[in-house]
Amino acid sequence: GQNIDQPTEMTATEGAIVQINCTYQTSGFNGLFWYQQHAGEAPTFLSYNVLDGLEEKGRFSSFLSRSKGYSYLLLKELQMKDSASYLCAVRVDNYGQNFVFGPGTRLSVLP
Amino acid sequence: DARVTQTPRHKVTEMGQEVTMRCQPILGHNTVFWYRQTMMQGLELLAYFRNRAPLDDSGMPKDRFSAEMPDATLATLKIQPSEPRDSAVYFCASGLVLGGGSRDIQYFGAGTRLSVL
Repeated sequence: GQNIDQPTEMTATEGAIVQINCTYQTSGFNGLFWYQQHAGEAPTFLSYNVLDGLEEKGRFSSFLSRSKGYSYLLLKELQMKDSASYLCAVRVDNYGQNFVFGPGTRLSVLP
Repeated sequence: DARVTQTPRHKVTEMGQEVTMRCQPILGHNTVFWYRQTMMQGLELLAYFRNRAPLDDSGMPKDRFSAEMPDATLATLKIQPSEPRDSAVYFCASGLVLGGGSRDIQYFGAGTRLSVL
């Protein structure tokens, strides 16, 4: 089976740093993606990791440890507009595009 | 500004009726995905196409759901007959898939919010 876990909800303050964790146990692994989804809107791509280590992109960074089945998304200098759900997704096959999404973490940024 | 277009945005129907959802992928993308999102199950992959050919529809209930891609500019997801448990937001996404471990981003449409009464 496929299993991806994320915390259900998190709260942080404007200007702070927050780390959203994702653990996965899947039948295969060919990359991990993070998507942001504002309420009532479509998911949008944030970051991608396929090798171990940290990928940085502006205020957002994502880390991957394949041996531990673990990733995190780090958001710095939080802004109110960062209030959204953050979805971790694993591509589980090597040729196709079979994706398994985690349940998402709803982040609330408070003033 | 290229985007994935889905119609209708909202659909309310009665149990037993046929529902057809349409998706226009971004021009030049070779892969189209259908997802269903509910509070309980989250985002689930139903089916996906590569160069219009169905690659995997194992996530889709076969008895009532069907997905097709009659041409490169149109993908459809049909439910017949619909049931209340089908109520969800259905997303279409498209991407240019290069294969292997490449950074193949999916671009999602705005979704169709389906309510089956």
